[in-house]
Amino acid sequence: GNSVTQMEGPVTLSEEAFLTINCTYTATGYPSLFWYVQYPGEGLQLLLKATKADDKGSNKGFEATYRKETTSFHLEKGSVQVSDSAVYFCALSEAGSGGGADGLTFGKGTHLIIQP
Amino acid sequence: DAMVIQNPRYQVTQFGKPVTLSCSQTLNHNVMYWYQQKSSQAPKLLFHYYDKDFNNEADTPDNFQSRRPNTSFCFLDIRSPGLGDAAMYLCATSRDRRVEQYFGPGTRLTVT
Repeated sequence: GNSVTQMEGPVTLSEEAFLTINCTYTATGYPSLFWYVQYPGEGLQLLLKATKADDKGSNKGFEATYRKETTSFHLEKGSVQVSDSAVYFCALSEAGSGGGADGLTFGKGTHLIIQP
Repeated sequence: DAMVIQNPRYQVTQFGKPVTLSCSQTLNHNVMYWYQQKSSQAPKLLFHYYDKDFNNEADTPDNFQSRRPNTSFCFLDIRSPGLGDAAMYLCATSRDRRVEQYFGPGTRLTVT
């Protein structure tokens, strides 16, 4: 079955530091890949997505590139802010319309803490 | 703005007392999902509707039911809540299967 593995947290960084949150996946075919962000007490917000190999998703200074050869979708940001403190989930969606799951498969989430 | 709305945001119910959570959407999406998220865990899919077609996950307890009376609304019914059902319940929508999903703010359920 499908699975997503992301680095355990919490990850604590100082403001303006460079951020990388690792995400690797196992899936059949060519899944779509997503990063979601969840602020305390709120639902999940779609941060960025990529639907095929070598696609780069980007939003709000965050980037992630779909690497099929390494089955990875690492999240990066050049300079983090205190307001980026949240839980980040890597997720995948199966390709096509055949058998298999229709929902998202999530990683366990990475809690990011940015200190001023 | 088009969005996914969940009511109430916080719900307290007693052990064994039926409770209903609601979700509405203005995105006109075909698919609506219900997820359960326990503290510090990833969301877990309970079931989803593709239009009127109901799809239950194999490990969703029978205690959980859902209704989708029209495109805009979807309800989660918990027939006899147990203490283990205390969680955040997230509603999500997507225009089609296996594409990005858009989440509501969630309903936090407390069982006393």
